[in-house]
Amino acid sequence: EADIYQTPRYLVIGTGKKITLECSQTMGHDKMYWYQQDPGMELHLIHYSYGVNSTEKGDLSSESTVSRIRTEHFPLTLESARPSHTSQYLCASRTSGISLYEQYFGPGTRLTVT
Amino acid sequence: AQTVTQSQPEMSVQEAETVTLSCTYDTSENNYYLFWYKQPPSRQMILVIRQEAYKQQNATENRFSVNFQKAAKSFSLKISDSQLGDTAMYFCAFMKRFQGGSEKLVFGKGTKLTVNP
Repeated sequence: EADIYQTPRYLVIGTGKKITLECSQTMGHDKMYWYQQDPGMELHLIHYSYGVNSTEKGDLSSESTVSRIRTEHFPLTLESARPSHTSQYLCASRTSGISLYEQYFGPGTRLTVT
Repeated sequence: AQTVTQSQPEMSVQEAETVTLSCTYDTSENNYYLFWYKQPPSRQMILVIRQEAYKQQNATENRFSVNFQKAAKSFSLKISDSQLGDTAMYFCAFMKRFQGGSEKLVFGKGTKLTVNP
């Protein structure tokens, strides 16, 4: 399996709380991504980064924010969690080199907001 | 707009049999990349196989092979000699690179495959 890690794996939290989902990779990849996977399993890109201090919003509008201060670290933050944020969040990364564009995925964080 | 359609929400197959998962995509571009990803229950998503659109030869990885029909915009996955460990969600994905280095990976809605003993 790929060297990309997400913590926590499971999180149950009350409405209004601030949370940060961690994602780290040890492969030196410059490109990193956050996907939201709904109960029907469909994946939607919510954020991506092509390097340090570079972040962009994805296709699906999200109230979350991200930062990329270090190459290996790409945390996602929700300032005020709501039940509509309940979902699985997947982090992925890939190199810009000649890799045939394969993205490596983390194990995911399953978030439940009560 | 690029879209990826997996028309089979669920499929099942007997162990040791062969199964084919369908995927069609929509694009006006000529150079792009296609992938099949596997997501086992409660485990990480992993790449099964990839195909570059400029290559006419179908990709093969052990028991997994694709039937890439560029004109028909079809990219099906064939799993031979199915094993219990093949039970998973399978996602077809399309990626296109843009000038300037940006890229977009679009996933289908997935096909849930169950391999029965």
